[in-house]
Amino acid sequence: EVQLVESGGGLVHPGGSLRLSCAASGFAFTSFGMNWVRQAPGKGLEWISYIDSPSQTIYYSDSVKGRFTTSRDNAKNSLFLQMNNLRDEDTAVYYCARDNWEISVGTFDYWGQGTPVTVSS
Amino acid sequence: DFQLTQSPSSLSASVGDRVTITCRASQSINRYLNWYQQKPGKAPKLLIYVGTGLQSGVPSRFIGSGSGTDFTLTISSLQPEDFATYYCQQSYGTPWTFGQGTKVEIK
Repeated sequence: EVQLVESGGGLVHPGGSLRLSCAASGFAFTSFGMNWVRQAPGKGLEWISYIDSPSQTIYYSDSVKGRFTTSRDNAKNSLFLQMNNLRDEDTAVYYCARDNWEISVGTFDYWGQGTPVTVSS
Repeated sequence: DFQLTQSPSSLSASVGDRVTITCRASQSINRYLNWYQQKPGKAPKLLIYVGTGLQSGVPSRFIGSGSGTDFTLTISSLQPEDFATYYCQQSYGTPWTFGQGTKVEIK
């Protein structure tokens, strides 16, 4: 069974940093790209980052580019999101999602339960 | 960026009704349009991929159609467990974008 479990969310002041993790199990992690998608309270879904399996291709949305860094450790089946210079508008639930390239890169076939991030003074 | 506009933003329907949600792209995205279902407090779930493909385990009452700029998600006979918010999402080009969502409520 595919499982994705995020952790690391919490309350942080504006300008602060946070590192999210996503632990993957139940599938060959090294065979799939991974994504981060977030959802602000009461709002819709926003894709923010993609990383391919060898970490050679990494994409970011304009809203986080230069502040967030996505990485992965294939030996530990883990995905990470380093978030720096956090802003109020980064408050959201952050989901990791598997990218099913066999269907189409950019198709998110499994999602974690999400970890909440609140940016507030 | 590829903008996606869903309509309606919300709808009320009864169990057994046929429900149709539309998604229009700002420019052609070929067939690279996916549909997700999200229930309150839960992660989204992939229903339909690349326009018409039914994700494994998803009931056949969920039907996707369309190509180019106009797409449709049809629920042929609405069931109690289908009351949720539905999002379209394009995988044609980055940044991958979502529609604003359509909330399906009980009439």
